[in-house]
Amino acid sequence: AQSVTQLDSHVSVSEGTPVLLRCNYSSSYSPSLFWYVQHPNKGLQLLLKYTSAATLVKGINGFEAEFKKSETSFHLTKPSAHMSDAAEYFCVVSVLSGYSTLTFGKGTMLLVSP
Amino acid sequence: DTGVSQDPRHKITKRGQNVTFRCDPISEHNRLYWYRQTLGQGPEFLTYFQNEAQLEKSRLLSDRFSAERPKGSFSTLEIQRTEQGDSAMYLCASSSTGGRAYRSYNEQFFGPGTRLTVL
Repeated sequence: AQSVTQLDSHVSVSEGTPVLLRCNYSSSYSPSLFWYVQHPNKGLQLLLKYTSAATLVKGINGFEAEFKKSETSFHLTKPSAHMSDAAEYFCVVSVLSGYSTLTFGKGTMLLVSP
Repeated sequence: DTGVSQDPRHKITKRGQNVTFRCDPISEHNRLYWYRQTLGQGPEFLTYFQNEAQLEKSRLLSDRFSAERPKGSFSTLEIQRTEQGDSAMYLCASSSTGGRAYRSYNEQFFGPGTRLTVL
């Protein structure tokens, strides 16, 4: 069985300040982990992925995440928030077995104020 | 636009009616997935096709739900005898196969979804 827990349902930051969205995972096997972003009225977009290569993963739009096996965490960070980052973010786990079934967390809404 | 498209974008129906949604994947993708997203939750996997074969359907929510992909291109998701609890966003995604490593991940590209409201 596999699951993810996003520790915050909402995170509020000011523009220009750092972003931290927290995610813990549970998996019986070596997981692959992803972060997806969902803007209003738009489809889900892949931000970054970890698939057992480097533990520090860089994604689009300045986001990065670090896989920490000892802490079973995969937190998403960005040094400086932009207004355009306001969206819902999903942490996702997958155990690859011929096809990729994704198990999503409940999401974290990122609010960015001027 | 060569992304995943879904039709309709919004559907309002009365309880007990049947509804059908369509998904057109990215043309070169042979894998197609359906997910359901309810308010305040992340998307939940429903079913998966590789070409025209439905390889995983155990997570369809009930026997009122069915999906087809007759020619390995577009797919339809049908809900019969809709209930108020079926109100949700229904998402479609597609991906390619390939990659030499068994554990290679082929990114799933998501459509904008169909929002279903059952009155």
